[in-house]
Amino acid sequence: DGGITQSPKYLFRKEGQNVTLSCEQNLNHDAMYWYRQDPGQGLRLIYYSQIVNDFQKGDIAEGYSVSREKKESFPLTVTSAQKNPTAFYLCASSIVEGKVTEAFFGQGTRLTVV
Amino acid sequence: AQKITQTQPGMFVQEKEAVTLDCTYDTSDPSYGLFWYKQPSSGEMIFLIYQGSYDQQNATEGRYSLNFQKARKSANLVISASQLGDSAMYFCAMRDGRAGGTSYGKLTFGQGTILTVHP
Repeated sequence: DGGITQSPKYLFRKEGQNVTLSCEQNLNHDAMYWYRQDPGQGLRLIYYSQIVNDFQKGDIAEGYSVSREKKESFPLTVTSAQKNPTAFYLCASSIVEGKVTEAFFGQGTRLTVV
Repeated sequence: AQKITQTQPGMFVQEKEAVTLDCTYDTSDPSYGLFWYKQPSSGEMIFLIYQGSYDQQNATEGRYSLNFQKARKSANLVISASQLGDSAMYFCAMRDGRAGGTSYGKLTFGQGTILTVHP
């Protein structure tokens, strides 16, 4: 089945460590996004990419990094520079051309700093 | 820059009644798309309905309809005949149009409205 897979579902990180969240899609979508969600809050855009080897900062990019070496993959690294990384992270993908359709989301990764 | 505003942090509705969730937006792009998503406590994002800026008619999908008032820049979600399973967080989102002239831009979300359906 086509869709977006995020892994792991739960992730625990020690302070000062970098961690990488995986996002893979087999929908042949050009655009991919990373969002952060804090409890009871909306989704804030971290990074997005509309084509391989290119990406743009969102509203809260500080302390995060991404890569887009393959169309199917858009991993997010939470670096030690991110002071408050505990949150729910959602990855999404969508088309960029033609008739607009909805963005498809993964199941999310809950990151906790211990 | 595009912006989405949802002014209702929480809403309550009686089962089987209708409810309207408000959404206003701001963009300078004449071409854009508006979306509503539902997020239950499990965290998954469920797409509900879409409205394009050039669509002449309001979008409908089953019990969901979108009250699109372009001049007022509002895109309210109407849920008819509420069910207990409708209790969730609801997000309004916007994707601007052909940014740069060739492709759609980023997808921006509002703060969300928590809907609680009472039996």
